[in-house]
Amino acid sequence: NAGVTQTPKFRVLKTGQSMTLLCAQDMNHEYMYWYRQDPGMGLRLIHYSVGEGTTAKGEVPDGYNVSRLKKQNFLLGLESAAPSQTSVYFCASLPHTSSYNEQFFGPGTRLTVL
Amino acid sequence: GQQVMQIPQYQHVQEGEDFTTYCNSSTTLSNIQWYKQRPGGHPVFLIQLVKSGEVKKQKRLTFQFGEAKKNSSLHITATQTTDVGTYFCAGRRISGTYKYIFGTGTRLKVLA
Repeated sequence: NAGVTQTPKFRVLKTGQSMTLLCAQDMNHEYMYWYRQDPGMGLRLIHYSVGEGTTAKGEVPDGYNVSRLKKQNFLLGLESAAPSQTSVYFCASLPHTSSYNEQFFGPGTRLTVL
Repeated sequence: GQQVMQIPQYQHVQEGEDFTTYCNSSTTLSNIQWYKQRPGGHPVFLIQLVKSGEVKKQKRLTFQFGEAKKNSSLHITATQTTDVGTYFCAGRRISGTYKYIFGTGTRLKVLA
């Protein structure tokens, strides 16, 4: 099992460019999340999904869109990148259980917007 | 909205000293999780606490969940250089959604 993988690992964009970050998990988890991590601010939830075909907004959704067309994939899109979106992006997945809710994180994508 | 605060933001300790980080939520939580992130790495799950007043131990790590389910703590006894990293708590509201709000984290440095 590869667990949670993220593509790409690093990316540099110019202001106004667009890109898509891909998160894939092979654990058949129902829930998937996109977080951004900035110095001194911990992890902030951007969007999340509770199942294939569903998405919901987190704490900081503005400027991002997501899609969950397949259960194993969760895509994060930036339509028009801004310098404020320079951050490290983490994807996580969670199995649908009523008790143990360990979130499994991917290795992260470091994005710089110039 | 729901906020989860962690203190201290940074902590430097000599190897062998104890370390504690505290997590406080503005709302009552369904459960709380703790994660460790090594420098340059991704968060790794440590433990989950669910019951009011719950205490769990993992070797030198002791986790507590407050009686009101609004605060939690992580205590490390006799720190080692391998404990270096940032420790995050993550709380889930009682509403039932599987949405976690992370604390701001405590960065621990251990001086040998």
